Amino acid sequence: NAGVMQNPRHLVRRRGQEARLRCSPMKGHSHVYWYRQLPEEGLKFMVYLQKENIIDESGMPKERFSAEFPKEGPSILRIQQVVRGDSAAYFCASSRDRDTNTGELFFGEGSRLTVL
Amino acid sequence: EDQVTQSPEALRLQEGESSSLNCSYTVSGLRGLFWYRQDPGKGPEFLFTLYSAGEEKEKERLKATLTKKESFLHITAPKPEDSATYLCAVQALGGAQKLVFGQGTRLTINP
Repeated sequence: NAGVMQNPRHLVRRRGQEARLRCSPMKGHSHVYWYRQLPEEGLKFMVYLQKENIIDESGMPKERFSAEFPKEGPSILRIQQVVRGDSAAYFCASSRDRDTNTGELFFGEGSRLTVL
Repeated sequence: EDQVTQSPEALRLQEGESSSLNCSYTVSGLRGLFWYRQDPGKGPEFLFTLYSAGEEKEKERLKATLTKKESFLHITAPKPEDSATYLCAVQALGGAQKLVFGQGTRLTINP
């Protein structure tokens, strides 16, 4: 039973380019969460999605960032026109419907974005 | 604003030397407090959920406790494989699904 799969694991972009990070939740999980971990900082919530719906995007920067979780395929976190401050580890987590309130999120191994 | 503060930032222990990690929190209404373990280059791994003051949970050499203002993660007779960063997070009442994490305590157990 595969866990949460994220790719790419490492991504290097130059300023102004676009970054696309993908996340396939665990089998049977329909809730996806994206968190960002900046160097020397804790994990920060970005967005919570269910299939085809954004439920809570209160942690997403207002510009350049977007997320989707289509009916088919992985969830995608898209960062347009990247800047150096976007360099971070981006973690995806998933949960089953009933586990949402227990905090038992299953995390992927993260995608590490470096902006040159 | 919900907030989580963990102390110490880093802790070095000898194998077998027991200690405790602290997590202080402020939250409008607590739905749950969670402990995760994170190894270098990996994603966090769920350990415990605590819901109300006085609750305790145990797993191998780890025991988590909860009061109205803080939680402790007690580590008894640790082994080198317990070395990791331990993260504390809270989830607020009111339907919010997000977790608010502390910065973590980096624990090193020397053989």
